[in-house]
Amino acid sequence: AQKVTQAQTEISVVEKEDVTLDCVYETRDTTYYLFWYKQPPSGELVFLIRRNSFDEQNEISGRYSWNFQKSTSSFNFTITASQVVDSAVYFCALLKVSGYSTLTFGKGTMLLVSP
Amino acid sequence: DAGITQSPRYKITETGRQVTLMCHQTWSHSYMFWYRQDLGHGLRLIYYSAAADITDKGEVPDGYVVSRSKTENFPLTLESATRSQTSVYFCASSESGSLNYGYTFGSGTRLTVV
Repeated sequence: AQKVTQAQTEISVVEKEDVTLDCVYETRDTTYYLFWYKQPPSGELVFLIRRNSFDEQNEISGRYSWNFQKSTSSFNFTITASQVVDSAVYFCALLKVSGYSTLTFGKGTMLLVSP
Repeated sequence: DAGITQSPRYKITETGRQVTLMCHQTWSHSYMFWYRQDLGHGLRLIYYSAAADITDKGEVPDGYVVSRSKTENFPLTLESATRSQTSVYFCASSESGSLNYGYTFGSGTRLTVV
């Protein structure tokens, strides 16, 4: 069975602060993919990043960066110099590729960035 | 327009009524999914389909029925709606050969059962 844990239910920061959203996963598969999605107040789910289990390189995209550590089964997401527009619910998700592939989500972390 | 569309966007129904949520995608993706989103639970998989006429249960299938007679449509039916089925429902699709790219989600249907 797969499981994704986002222990932080809600985080509040002031604009320009850096913030890290934690994601810990469990799977028996050796091949899998990890994702982050953003859900702004408008409600749609926006794809942010995909990482496969064989690629442990960290990735940076503008103010966003991701730290994948297989040894600790974590895939953390950092926003540098947060902005009000970053306020959203962020979901970490795990995709197994054996058999019928399905995406398992964490419960999400609500990030509130205040001016 | 190309994409994945859900209808209706909002629905209020009474307990015991049957209601169908529609999902249509224009990419001919093989895989389609239904999730429900509830506070404190994140998104949970209800049903999924690997191809037309192939469907399977997800984590929370009770009280729901799906069908997939055509590749592009994947309707979700609540046979006898209950208040516990009040939720936001998301449909998603994925290309079978590129599951590693994740899913594309519809805009969601907010269902209220009174």
